[in-house]
Amino acid sequence: EPEVTQTPSHQVTQMGQEVILRCVPISNHLYFYWYRQILGQKVEFLVSFYNNEISEKSEIFDDQFSVERPDGSNFTLKIRSTKLEDSAMYFCASSELAGVETQYFGPGTRLLVL
Amino acid sequence: GQSLEQPSEVTAVEGAIVQINCTYQTSGFYGLSWYQQHDGGAPTFLSYNALDGLEETGRFSSFLSRSDSYGYLLLQELQMKDSASYFCAVGDNTDKLIFGTGTRLQVFP
Repeated sequence: EPEVTQTPSHQVTQMGQEVILRCVPISNHLYFYWYRQILGQKVEFLVSFYNNEISEKSEIFDDQFSVERPDGSNFTLKIRSTKLEDSAMYFCASSELAGVETQYFGPGTRLLVL
Repeated sequence: GQSLEQPSEVTAVEGAIVQINCTYQTSGFYGLSWYQQHDGGAPTFLSYNALDGLEETGRFSSFLSRSDSYGYLLLQELQMKDSASYFCAVGDNTDKLIFGTGTRLQVFP
């Protein structure tokens, strides 16, 4: 069964450093998303991406964040200068169609900023 | 603001039936989804309701009442492996999911 994959599974970085989180969405999906979950809290939407551009972003997704689809398979989230409060689990998701009926989530990247 | 409220914790025994409620207040509404998340794992899609009524998928059923801004997830014949967190999520006429606060289900033998 096709699945969303993410690398790395864990990332530890120093405050102020740049990190890039990588995702490979399901191959025939066209809509891509990043969510994050701070430990013990709910999942929060960051950004959605379609046709090589951002379709929506949340208040969390400020100028320190960017997304890119550098090739036909990868979808990346970059945090330019990490802060302590960026420590969270980051989930990539994809869907075949627009909307929310079924979004498939990857296993997540646990980011720890020291 | 946008909010989805769920009970924080529910406990039950194996073989029992449990209902997890979700009330929502969002600026728009496209549908209500339910996701299961085991500790350290990813949210896994369980069910989706766009229209009022009951949707059944095996041991899991989900209900929606749009007029009451309310839905629930019904889990039958509970098994130990059902111990997890369960999140309701609303699609608000855009592509994003707005997640609820989550309900931790503990199933005891």
